[in-house]
Amino acid sequence: KNQVEQSPQSLIILEGKNCTLQCNYTVSPFSNLRWYKQDTGRGPVSLTIMTFSENTKSNGRYTATLDADTKQSSLHITASQLSDSASYICVALSGGSYIPTFGRGTSLIVHP
Amino acid sequence: GAVVSQHPSRVICKSGTSVKIECRSLDFQATTMFWYRQFPKQSLMLMATSNEGSKATYEQGVEKDKFLINHASLTLSTLTVTSAHPEDSSFYICSALPGLAGGNVASYNEQFFGPGTRLTVL
Repeated sequence: KNQVEQSPQSLIILEGKNCTLQCNYTVSPFSNLRWYKQDTGRGPVSLTIMTFSENTKSNGRYTATLDADTKQSSLHITASQLSDSASYICVALSGGSYIPTFGRGTSLIVHP
Repeated sequence: GAVVSQHPSRVICKSGTSVKIECRSLDFQATTMFWYRQFPKQSLMLMATSNEGSKATYEQGVEKDKFLINHASLTLSTLTVTSAHPEDSSFYICSALPGLAGGNVASYNEQFFGPGTRLTVL
């Protein structure tokens, strides 16, 4: 069964600090992994997409890593801003399918 | 590009009434659209997959007679919640998968999500 587990479930940090969110996935065969940001009451917005051959990808202050051997991914947020407060969802897609497996998300709160 | 809209963004209705939610791909054609629901602090749960011109495929446990899906064109899918009850109150999100014919071609089978519709049934 395809699964995506995220940790921590929630995280509170001070503005300006860095943080790292974790994602473990069990998806076979693996196609790609994405990180989304979902603001409260809004739909998910894509941050990064990585395939098997990619081990890091950046989008501004967001940097995602992927270790296909250990089936782990992380999302690093640098110099956090208040607007980073949101839920961050890890999503894995298996090859030959267009139906993704969603993690439950990490709720990030950035305090001033 | 790759913008998906939903209408309405919020709806409040009385128990027993029906509510229609529209999902539109604004700048691409989507042969496949998806409908999700999301409860507070939970992940998105796939309800059904909607293919243009054919019947939707519902996930296990989702009542097809209660959640009517119509994908009449390559840019529009609708979800109608019939005889709504308070337990149907949720956040409904659609996504669209760009097709190969016209518009942008998705890389990695990427779905583009709408902004969601908050349904409250009194």
